Amino acid sequence: EVQLLESGGGLGQPGGSLRLSCAASGFSFRSYAMGWVRQAPGKGLEWVSGISESGGNTYYADSVKGRFTISRDNSKNTLYLQMTSLRAEDTALYFCAKRLQPAAAPFDYWGQGTLVTVSS
Amino acid sequence: EIVMTQSPDTLSVSPGERATLSCRASQSVSSTLAWYQQIPGQAPRLLIYGASIRATGIPARFSGSGSGTEFTLTINILQSEDFAVYYCQQYYNWPLTFGGGTKVEI
Repeated sequence: EVQLLESGGGLGQPGGSLRLSCAASGFSFRSYAMGWVRQAPGKGLEWVSGISESGGNTYYADSVKGRFTISRDNSKNTLYLQMTSLRAEDTALYFCAKRLQPAAAPFDYWGQGTLVTVSS
Repeated sequence: EIVMTQSPDTLSVSPGERATLSCRASQSVSSTLAWYQQIPGQAPRLLIYGASIRATGIPARFSGSGSGTEFTLTINILQSEDFAVYYCQQYYNWPLTFGGGTKVEI
């Protein structure tokens, strides 16, 4: 059974940093691209960042480019999102998600999310 | 960036009826279009990908159609568990983008 378990959310200060983690199990983690999607309270889904199977290619939404860094450790089956220069508008539930197949594909499995609140 | 526009914002239907949801892309995305269902308090669930391919375990009452810029999700014989918010998403190119969602309510 595929499982994605996010952690690391919490209260962050404006201008501060947080690091999110996503522990994956039940599939060959190193064989799939992964991504982060967020959802602000009461709002829709917003894609945040993506990473290729090897980690060699990374992609970001303009809203987080230069502030967030996605990475993965295939030996630990873990996906990360390093968030810096936090802003109030980064407040959201952050989902880790697995892509259906290596090539262009949607997300077929999602974690339950970890809540990030940016406030002083 | 490809902008995805969903309509209507809210769709009121009765159990047993059919719901038809629309999604429009600002430029062609070929068939690289997915639909997700999100029940409040839960993570999104993949329903349809490739514009018309049902994901594993998705009931046949869910169907998708379209290509290019115009897409439709049809839910036949709505059941109580189908009342949720539905999102379309293009994965044609970066950045990946979602529509604003359609809430299907009783």
